[in-house]
Amino acid sequence: GIQVEQSPPDLILQEGANSTLRCNFSDSVNNLQWFHQNPWGQLINLFYIPSGTKQNGRLSATTVATERYSLLYISSSQTTDSGVYFCAVAGYQLIWGAGTKLIIKP
Amino acid sequence: DAGVIQSPRHEVTEMGQEVTLRCKPISGHDYLFWYRQTMMRGLELLIYFNNNVPIDDSGMPEDRFSAKMPNASFSTLKIQPSEPRDSAVYFCASSFESTTSSGETQYFGPGTRLLVL
Repeated sequence: GIQVEQSPPDLILQEGANSTLRCNFSDSVNNLQWFHQNPWGQLINLFYIPSGTKQNGRLSATTVATERYSLLYISSSQTTDSGVYFCAVAGYQLIWGAGTKLIIKP
Repeated sequence: DAGVIQSPRHEVTEMGQEVTLRCKPISGHDYLFWYRQTMMRGLELLIYFNNNVPIDDSGMPEDRFSAKMPNASFSTLKIQPSEPRDSAVYFCASSFESTTSSGETQYFGPGTRLLVL
């Protein structure tokens, strides 16, 4: 089946810093999504991005489908950005990566 | 819409007891998913329904787990008998279309935090 790998597993940054999270996947997919799980456990969809680039405020994402990876950029980090960021790809069903745990220190 | 609603939010029970988790999907969504999240295994899809019909239950860990969707606005996940290793956060999610064929995202409920002693 499709394998999804996320890196780094953990990331600790100071408020105001920028960060890049990576998602590699092992096969062609027609659906790639980024989710944020906040410290209270709520899972929120950030982007649907099977290819190309999208931006939403301080967050942006780029997927290079031919090279089987996606990047999530967070600029000017805020403490509210803390949590776990998941990449999920769809073949038959959503396949989830293990996540990147991001801690933003004030 | 209020979003996906799950109940209870927290459940503490003793080994051997029956546990029933409940989910109300977003109105109009045709797909409903049950996930389990643990530190060791991350997010696992247990089962999903389309138009109230179970489509794939290959993620259900064993016969102690069962799920039903008697109508479009209600689903249950039952564990009988419960065991300590079932302790996890159980999420319900719904979507309008299949996430495999479209850009439709899944909307997650707040989860049920289950502790089996």
